Amino acid sequence: DQQVKQNSPSLSVQEGRISILNCDYTNSMFDYFLWYKKYPAEGPTFLISISSIKDKNEDGRFTVFLNKSAKHLSLHIVPSQPGDSAVYFCAAKATQGGSEKLVFGKGTKLTVNP
Amino acid sequence: ETGVTQTPRHLVMGMTNKKSLKCEQHLGHNAMYWYKQSAKKPLELMFVYNFKEQTENNSVPSRFSPECPNSSHLFLHLHTLQPEDSALYLCASSDGLAGVLYDTQYFGPGTRLTVL
Repeated sequence: DQQVKQNSPSLSVQEGRISILNCDYTNSMFDYFLWYKKYPAEGPTFLISISSIKDKNEDGRFTVFLNKSAKHLSLHIVPSQPGDSAVYFCAAKATQGGSEKLVFGKGTKLTVNP
Repeated sequence: ETGVTQTPRHLVMGMTNKKSLKCEQHLGHNAMYWYKQSAKKPLELMFVYNFKEQTENNSVPSRFSPECPNSSHLFLHLHTLQPEDSALYLCASSDGLAGVLYDTQYFGPGTRLTVL
């Protein structure tokens, strides 16, 4: 059973508009969340993270929102640029207990059209 | 070279072959990871090494054998694989300092493995 779900396999937006990528999780022990971006023929690249003690973290055009009660997080990219076109992976970790295991979602392919 | 490198980038092997995947990180990290990404599946953690010691084996079949001779190098030895083992194998590294559980993992480009 998937513990981290990205229910939209793809998303297409216009340049300059907002991109919203969603992620849901089922394990209530998860308390640290990350977003990775992956271009073709490259490994995933870390984008932004959030700890469960926060509900928002912002870095430039990228903002991650965490709703613990709904077990939901989202990544907002604004304004979207064609170079943002990539596959975005949501990942989660349960830091209590000392596990280094990151659990990934299947990814959402974002296409930003010029 | 910077970051995390993996060789080879592509590998085709028969079920009776023995081959090895190599990962090298130039970031001064102490933790290294092997992940498997199969088509239409999430990345799956296979092994974790922290300060050269294996700290996690995620129920991986014995036909996959990791080796970590030092903090900068990680190998995945492959023996008598099955066609369903065909996948993208990704290596990652992180600070891995004791007690630091929020460290970011940095990935290599991966090895695309095809088992015939």
